[in-house]
Amino acid sequence: GQNIDQPTEMTATEGAIVQINCTYQTSGFNGLFWYQQHAGEAPTFLSYNVLDGLEEKGRFSSFLSRSKGYSYLLLKELQMKDSASYLCAVTTSGGYQKVTFGIGTKLQVIP
Amino acid sequence: DTGVSQDPRHKITKRGQNVTFRCDPISEHNRLYWYRQTLGQGPEFLTYFQNEAQLEKSRLLSDRFSAERPKGSFSTLEIQRTEQGDSAMYLCASSLATSGSTDTQYFGPGTRLTVL
Repeated sequence: GQNIDQPTEMTATEGAIVQINCTYQTSGFNGLFWYQQHAGEAPTFLSYNVLDGLEEKGRFSSFLSRSKGYSYLLLKELQMKDSASYLCAVTTSGGYQKVTFGIGTKLQVIP
Repeated sequence: DTGVSQDPRHKITKRGQNVTFRCDPISEHNRLYWYRQTLGQGPEFLTYFQNEAQLEKSRLLSDRFSAERPKGSFSTLEIQRTEQGDSAMYLCASSLATSGSTDTQYFGPGTRLTVL
């Protein structure tokens, strides 16, 4: 099976930088997604990492270390609208790309 | 393309009643997924379709749950004899599986079910 661990809650200040960590233990690991989910809304795609290293996309960056079973999402220049849950999800190879989600990290951005 | 749509957005029903939800995926997406999400949890996989074929079902999907995708486009999820434990957000996602590309799932807005 899969085991995905991420902090349940974080608080950060507007304009600052925050790093949300995710560790996983899984067999047949293929890649790792980060999704953003505002309260009461559907998850929206942020990033997908397959290879080790950092991928930057505007204010958001995502890092993956396959050997350590570790990923993080880095949010820069935080804005109030970034207050949301951030879901780490691992994909495993097989007949299709099965996605297993973590419980999500609820980020609160304060003034 | 307007993305994945789901109907209804909210459903309140009494215990024991049957409910049916609909999902319209992004056009030409060949894969469709159903998830269930409860408060404070991530989405939990329920079932998956490749075109019209239902290829995998989670053990979370009891005999009271059935899903169809008759023409390989829209899908329905039916819950029979609803129980209070079925109260959750039901999310649909779709993706386009092609070789050499990321099979990213795009989610609909969800149907929030409340069983009284």
